[in-house]
Amino acid sequence: ETGVTQTPRHLVMGMTNKKSLKCEQHLGHNAMYWYKQSAKKPLELMFVYNFKEQTENNSVPSRFSPECPNSSHLFLHLHTLQPEDSALYLCASSPRGGTSTDTQYFGPGTRLTVL
Amino acid sequence: QKEVEQDPGPLSVPEGAIVSLNCTYSNSAFQYFMWYRQYSRKGPELLMYTYSSGNKEDGRFTAQVDKSSKYISLFIRDSQPSDSATYLCAMSANTGRRALTFGSGTRLQVQP
Repeated sequence: ETGVTQTPRHLVMGMTNKKSLKCEQHLGHNAMYWYKQSAKKPLELMFVYNFKEQTENNSVPSRFSPECPNSSHLFLHLHTLQPEDSALYLCASSPRGGTSTDTQYFGPGTRLTVL
Repeated sequence: QKEVEQDPGPLSVPEGAIVSLNCTYSNSAFQYFMWYRQYSRKGPELLMYTYSSGNKEDGRFTAQVDKSSKYISLFIRDSQPSDSATYLCAMSANTGRRALTFGSGTRLQVQP
C-alpha cells in the first residue's frame, strides 16, 4: 500500500450504532488530519494531530471521537450520529504539521450514510 | 460572507478549450494559495502551489494570485477529458491559525 489509505470506503449506520473509521499513511509523515466534505460545501477541518498529539479540534461534536495511537494511524470513532453527519470523511497527512507550507496528502475518503 | 468563495459550476467546455477557474477571499492574512484536483470517488490531490502574488506555470496549468484584489485563478490550456474533475482552491496564513481554508470546489466537465 502506498500513500494514504482509508477503510471502510463506504459505511451505512443507524443513529444508535457505534462504528470506527480508520486511516493509515505510508509516507513517514508526522501530522494527520480528519476533514468532513459535504455536497456543495468547503472541506471542513475536524481534527489535527501532530506527532500523535491533538493540536486542533475545530469545535467538533463529541459524538466524533478521534484517536491517534502513532504517527501512521488515525481513527475516528462514531457514536449516536445524526443524519446530517452523512458526508465524505477524508483523512490527510503532511510531513510536519503546523506550518503553512506543509503539503497535505489525502486518502480516498469514507462515504458515510447515517439512517 | 464565506472566507473563500468559489463558483460551484458545473463548468462544461469542449476539448481543447482554455479553462479559467477562480476564487475570491476575504482574509488579507492569506499568503499561501493552492489548487487541488478531486476526481470522483477520490481524495483531493495537490495540483499547484503559489506563495503571495504572481504567476506559476506547470505544463498546461497556470496559477495566478492577485493579492490586491484578493483573487486567485487557475488556467488550464488545451483542456482534455481527463481534466474533468472538481477543482478546489485552498489557502492559509503565515501567522496565527495556519490551517488550510478551502473553497467549495468547481466541477469541470471537458467534453470530447
